[in-house]
Amino acid sequence: DAGVTQSPTHLIKTRGQQVTLRCSPKSGHDTVSWYQQALGQGPQFIFQYYEEEERQRGNFPDRFSGHQFPNYSSELNVNALLLGDSALYLCASSLIGGGTDTQYFGPGTRLTVL
Amino acid sequence: GDSVTQMEGPVTLSEEAFLTINCTYTATGYPSLFWYVQYPGEGLQLLLKATKADDKGSNKGFEATYRKETTSFHLEKGSVQVSDSAVYFCAPRGEYGNKLVFGAGTILRVKS
Repeated sequence: DAGVTQSPTHLIKTRGQQVTLRCSPKSGHDTVSWYQQALGQGPQFIFQYYEEEERQRGNFPDRFSGHQFPNYSSELNVNALLLGDSALYLCASSLIGGGTDTQYFGPGTRLTVL
Repeated sequence: GDSVTQMEGPVTLSEEAFLTINCTYTATGYPSLFWYVQYPGEGLQLLLKATKADDKGSNKGFEATYRKETTSFHLEKGSVQVSDSAVYFCAPRGEYGNKLVFGAGTILRVKS
């Protein structure tokens, strides 16, 4: 049973560029959430996608956008990168209505902005 | 908004010592409660969870009890191992929301 997968593992970009991160949910899951984890901090919720719609959004600017595909995989896009966007980006998948909607995390994508 | 407070680390213990990591939370409605663990360079792994008052979550020797009256979900383990060295996160998820709320986490270091 494949768990949550994310790509790429690492990414280096320069300020002002745009980046796309990808996530495939755990088999049987239909919901994807994205979190940003700065070094030494806990993860911060960016947004959640269900049925290809953004279901809830955290306190992040519009530079952060996402998409969910019919196969439930998801992308996180960040435009006009800032140095402060350097972080580990975590994707978590869950099943809506599956009891507690427990979120399972992928290994993350480490983004470095120079 | 929802929030969580964990004891500050790092917590340094000798192997086979007893572990307690305190966690208190504020959350809307009747939250579900989770503990996640993060090993160096990795994502978060679900350690245990509890969904209603007085429920005890347990896994790999770790336990935590949902205490609604004190809004707490303290993590305990009777005998820690070097391999338990990691960062531990307590995370409530509010009844009416979909997001997990994390604090800064607690670093645990176990010496042999």
